[in-house]
Amino acid sequence: GAGVSQSPSNKVTEKGKDVELRCDPISGHTALYWYRQSLGQGLEFLIYFQGNSAPDKSGLPSDRFSAERTGGSVSTLTIQRTQQEDSAVYLCASSTSDQGSSYNEQFFGPGTRLTVL
Amino acid sequence: AQSVTQLGSHVSVSEGALVLLRCNYSSSVPPYLFWYVQYPNQGLQLLLKYTTGATLVKGINGFEAEFKKSETSFHLTKPSAHMSDAAEYFCAVTGSARQLTFGSGTQLTVLP
Repeated sequence: GAGVSQSPSNKVTEKGKDVELRCDPISGHTALYWYRQSLGQGLEFLIYFQGNSAPDKSGLPSDRFSAERTGGSVSTLTIQRTQQEDSAVYLCASSTSDQGSSYNEQFFGPGTRLTVL
Repeated sequence: AQSVTQLGSHVSVSEGALVLLRCNYSSSVPPYLFWYVQYPNQGLQLLLKYTTGATLVKGINGFEAEFKKSETSFHLTKPSAHMSDAAEYFCAVTGSARQLTFGSGTQLTVLP
């Protein structure tokens, strides 16, 4: 596709349920990022993938959060036993990867709005 | 480690007036600096970036920003505001790590 896509666009779930959020990066982009945007915490980094590997998981807030990436493309962010504080917009971004450079423009998807009741 | 401070969570300007959104950063390594804009229910769009070289950078929609190392600032300006500029603006920094560290955002309102 032309840009980063995310699904679903909105997700309402009950406390304690598991949810899966999907990100389709721009074709050919090897780097993929997950961020969370919430009222109390602003925009926070969650996890970074290079290919299928996640060299930086430092932003995951708890062990209820996990993510995987397959085929160097689609990524899934899973939140187990959701809590009300997990309510936020989850943004995905992708970029090309240039070894040795810490900058490659990140292109953002529209986000998934998660509401935990 | 990096951090970003955006002064003013809400800024209002009249249409045609100067827009000035403030951003100060902290970084232990030479920073790369960015401004992103977010329209309602949309993702983030890059307005402009500073990586190396010229400290005055120009972006889309008539915005520009100047990197001032001595002041650790990267303020965003636009000479004349348009109604379509109403949005939330985020300053961000990255250094040796690849992820972006964002400021808390500034909501810009443009008054007719």
